[in-house]
Amino acid sequence: NAGVTQTPKFQVLKTGQSMTLQCAQDMNHEYMSWYRQDPGMGLRLIHYSVGAGITDQGEVPNGYNVSRSTTEDFPLRLLSAAPSQTSVYFCASSLTAWAQNSPLHFGNGTRLTVT
Amino acid sequence: QQQVKQSPQSLIVQKGGISIINCAYENTAFDYFPWYQQFPGKGPALLIAIRPDVSEKKEGRFTISFNKSAKQFSLHIMDSQPGDSATYFCAASPPGGSNYKLTFGKGTLLTVNP
Repeated sequence: NAGVTQTPKFQVLKTGQSMTLQCAQDMNHEYMSWYRQDPGMGLRLIHYSVGAGITDQGEVPNGYNVSRSTTEDFPLRLLSAAPSQTSVYFCASSLTAWAQNSPLHFGNGTRLTVT
Repeated sequence: QQQVKQSPQSLIVQKGGISIINCAYENTAFDYFPWYQQFPGKGPALLIAIRPDVSEKKEGRFTISFNKSAKQFSLHIMDSQPGDSATYFCAASPPGGSNYKLTFGKGTLLTVNP
């Protein structure tokens, strides 16, 4: 099992550009989510999905879109990149959405810089 | 979203020493408290978790202590090793809580010197 795979590992964008961060998992997990990690801010939830075709907003959704057309994939789209979106982005999945019996499995992150 | 306050922000410990990271929470309804460990360049991974019906849980050199009345829980790393150098996140979840309701602390960067 590859677990949770994120691509690319690094990306530099200019302000106003758009891009898609890819996330794929091969564990047949129902739940998938995106976090951003900024120094001193911890992990903040951007969007999440409890199953294919179902998505919802997290704590910091503005400027990001998601879709979940398959169980395996959960791409994160930046519509018009801003310097404030410079961050490390993590995709995480779990077997079910229930925290107590389904720990989160994180990918290794995408480091995004917006100039 | 309810807060989980984690301290210290960074911690330096000598090899063989005890590392202690503390978390305090506000919502008395929280009933699941996991700790995640993140090595440089990697994503976080579940380290150990506790529910409030026990006051302590131990897995190897890692122990969670839980104080329900004080609304605090802490991670103790005994005989700390350089390989334990990582960022540690505490988290809390409400009853029946989903992973999207998991509230994370802001993290503690632990450095264990050889």
